[in-house]
Amino acid sequence: NAGVTQTPKFQVLKTGQSMTLQCAQDMNHEYMSWYRQDPGMGLRLIHYSVGAGITDQGEVPNGYNVSRSTTEDFPLRLLSAAPSQTSVYFCASSYFGGQSYEQYFGPGTRLTVT
Amino acid sequence: KNEVEQSPQNLTAQEGEFITINCSYSVGISALHWLQQHPGGGIVSLFMLSSGKKKHGRLIATINIQEKHSSLHITASHPRDSAVYICAVPNYGGSQGNLIFGKGTKLSVKP
Repeated sequence: NAGVTQTPKFQVLKTGQSMTLQCAQDMNHEYMSWYRQDPGMGLRLIHYSVGAGITDQGEVPNGYNVSRSTTEDFPLRLLSAAPSQTSVYFCASSYFGGQSYEQYFGPGTRLTVT
Repeated sequence: KNEVEQSPQNLTAQEGEFITINCSYSVGISALHWLQQHPGGGIVSLFMLSSGKKKHGRLIATINIQEKHSSLHITASHPRDSAVYICAVPNYGGSQGNLIFGKGTKLSVKP
């Protein structure tokens, strides 16, 4: 099993550009989520999904969009990049709700917006 | 909404020392996670526990549900244990909902 994969590993964007961060898992997990990690702060939830076709907002959803058309894939779209979105982004998955089951994290995407 | 506090924020130890990292939360839960973030950035799950104690190699995690407190212990610490250790709990308590994460404890073990 590849586990949770994320692409790209690094990305530099100019303000106003859009892009999609890819996330895929091959463990048949229902629950998938996107977090951002900033210096001095804990991981913060952007969006999450409890199954194909079902998504919801987390703590910091503004400026991001998600969809879940398959169990395996959960892409994160930046609609119009801003310097405040410079961060490290992690995708994670688990069985059912994320609170009671082991979390599996992707390797992260380091995004810089200039 | 749950709040998570970890202490200490930073910890430097000599190889072989016994390490303790603490995590407190504000809303009752039934499961708590300990995670490790390597210097290269990858995050792995170490423990998920709902009561008592769990042990994996030199790592021991304990939880006191009544006190809303958990500890992560590392026995005979080694430089390869250098990492950021993160605890996470359900955001709204109980066993439902998304996780909220502590800010992490950065551990550096010197040879």
